[in-house]
Amino acid sequence: DSGVTQTPKHLITATGQRVTLRCSPRSGDLSVYWYQQSLDQGLQFLIQYYNGEERAKGNILERFSAQQFPDLHSELNLSSLELGDSALYFCASSVDPGDGSRRDTQYFGPGTRLTVL
Amino acid sequence: GENVEQHPSTLSVQEGDSAVIKCTYSDSASNYFPWYKQELGKRPQLIIDIRSNVGEKKDQRIAVTLNKTAKHFSLHITETQPEDSAVYFCAATLTGGGNKLTFGTGTQLKVEL
Repeated sequence: DSGVTQTPKHLITATGQRVTLRCSPRSGDLSVYWYQQSLDQGLQFLIQYYNGEERAKGNILERFSAQQFPDLHSELNLSSLELGDSALYFCASSVDPGDGSRRDTQYFGPGTRLTVL
Repeated sequence: GENVEQHPSTLSVQEGDSAVIKCTYSDSASNYFPWYKQELGKRPQLIIDIRSNVGEKKDQRIAVTLNKTAKHFSLHITETQPEDSAVYFCAATLTGGGNKLTFGTGTQLKVEL
């Protein structure tokens, strides 16, 4: 158990719908990262937050958005869902986004499996 | 941006043999290279990592080597066991610059009895 929690574990929804995925980082971690894992694209970085502020963005679609709240949990919002959005969505956390020490090691949560029908 | 290539995509070894997985990266500024093990339907688990100020790191049966000049790093697993069967991902990043990981495409390792 990495200490990172994600809810829900599974989500089944229809095209055009909107869903929210939730992540709670390890105690003491300030940085949260979201990754998407699909069969054809592998593990792809979506977005990163550090202490409530957006720090880095990957190839995140405009239909997707995220935020990190004052208690440091994060939510990933996916809207106008398409079949191709079906994937495993992982959240990871680290103490620091990157200070060159063990504090930037990323630990992954169990993931949310999203199925769009 | 960073690009990471990983080979082979599948690797089958006999129990007790060694396994080697190789990755190359494109951005010479990258300075942190973790390896993750992922079992089917589970989360990626960090198994070992290396930073650009060292050339080799070992943890029991697992070792990682880094060649900064060639922009190449490898995972070595010795005395493989059936429980080593999983998908292994290499990754690269520049820490301090956001720390987003760029992953390789994964290697499916199968350890046969």
